[in-house]
Amino acid sequence: DAGVTQSPTHLIKTRGQQVTLRCSPKSGHDTVSWYQQALGQGPQFIFQYYEEEERQRGNFPDRFSGHQFPNYSSELNVNALLLGDSALYLCASEDSTDTQYFGPGTRLTVL
Amino acid sequence: QKEVEQDPGPLSVPEGAIVSLNCTYSNSAFQYFMWYRQYSRKGPELLMYTYSSGNKEDGRFTAQVDKSSKYISLFIRDSQPSDSATYLCAMTLTGGGNKLTFGTGTQLKVEL
Repeated sequence: DAGVTQSPTHLIKTRGQQVTLRCSPKSGHDTVSWYQQALGQGPQFIFQYYEEEERQRGNFPDRFSGHQFPNYSSELNVNALLLGDSALYLCASEDSTDTQYFGPGTRLTVL
Repeated sequence: QKEVEQDPGPLSVPEGAIVSLNCTYSNSAFQYFMWYRQYSRKGPELLMYTYSSGNKEDGRFTAQVDKSSKYISLFIRDSQPSDSATYLCAMTLTGGGNKLTFGTGTQLKVEL
């Protein structure tokens, strides 16, 4: 059984560009959350999707948006990239016991 | 003040030592507590999950929660070099549909 998968592994963008990150949850998981982890920090919650709707949102600007598809996979979009958006972006899916399992992350570098 | 405080370390111990990792939190509404292990350039891996005050043991790992003091701990017995990683505490208000709030992580190195 594949765990949570994310693509791409690593991405380099320049300021002002837009980026899309992708996540496939573990089989049977229908809830997906996204987190941003800056270097040397713990992950910060961005938002959570359930039944294709954004259920909860953290303290992130509207430049951060997302989507969940009928197969429960999800995308994170970031517009107008800033240098400060450089981080590891983590996706987590949730099982029936409400435990969140993380993917390997996408490392985004903004130049 | 951060909701969850965790000493970032680094913490260096000899192989076989008992390791104690700790977090304090300010929001008494947190009910569920987790410890994740994160190797360099990898995603966090769940180690322990608890929801009540007291101890929970799993192999070499023991998680301790003291809700009255807003303090949680993770103990690692007989530490191994493979335990070298960053350990993140995390907590939620309820068990499901709620964001995880993390500490900054403690970097642990177990030396031969």
